[in-house]
Amino acid sequence: GAVVSQHPSRVICKSGTSVKIECRSLDFQATTMFWYRQFPKQSLMLMATSNEGSKATYEQGVEKDKFLINHASLTLSTLTVTSAHPEDSSFYICSALTPLRTDTQYFGPGTRLTVL
Amino acid sequence: AQSVTQPDIHITVSEGASLELRCNYSYGATPYLFWYVQSPGQGLQLLLKYFSGDTLVQGIKGFEAEFKRSQSSFNLRKPSVHWSDAAEYFCAVGAGSGGSNYKLTFGKGTLLTVNP
Repeated sequence: GAVVSQHPSRVICKSGTSVKIECRSLDFQATTMFWYRQFPKQSLMLMATSNEGSKATYEQGVEKDKFLINHASLTLSTLTVTSAHPEDSSFYICSALTPLRTDTQYFGPGTRLTVL
Repeated sequence: AQSVTQPDIHITVSEGASLELRCNYSYGATPYLFWYVQSPGQGLQLLLKYFSGDTLVQGIKGFEAEFKRSQSSFNLRKPSVHWSDAAEYFCAVGAGSGGSNYKLTFGKGTLLTVNP
């Protein structure tokens, strides 16, 4: 139980284009999902908290217009990197809270974004 | 604000040897503590967690961790390491009132190499 998937696992795009990353909870409904960014050999940095049916809450320093988050259903949250640039290249990981345990996050496998 | 320190960036052990990964935290109240493992290019898998009660917690894959309030530590241990344990290990502290207010702060991680 508590399986979280991400799609795609890897994506390469040209500078200036937008990329959408999906995060799905496969066997449970997640009212809250989180988006993290991980630089090479670094820790995870929380970007935003995504709540189903409401606006995401962004951490300080994260550009809301750059990283668009939509949590349209109880099993899906999407992160769109708009007008991507090479500095946006990173490993993006989502996590979700299960309804029964709102104090434990279950993580997806991550998405490697490379912007050329 | 909470913080997590993992003093060891990289540890190398021989297969079959015992392992201890250090984690120190800073948090004003009783913390929720977690250990996650990340294999290369993968998301994070929860190894174990501490919320309250018995300060020695057992996790998956033969790992255990001990919460020591007096030392603000939550060190991860395994009596006999297997080659498949080679990965990056992250300690995290959780804080907040639960649900979308609940946030994890991660340490920088410890990379474990296992020699045959």
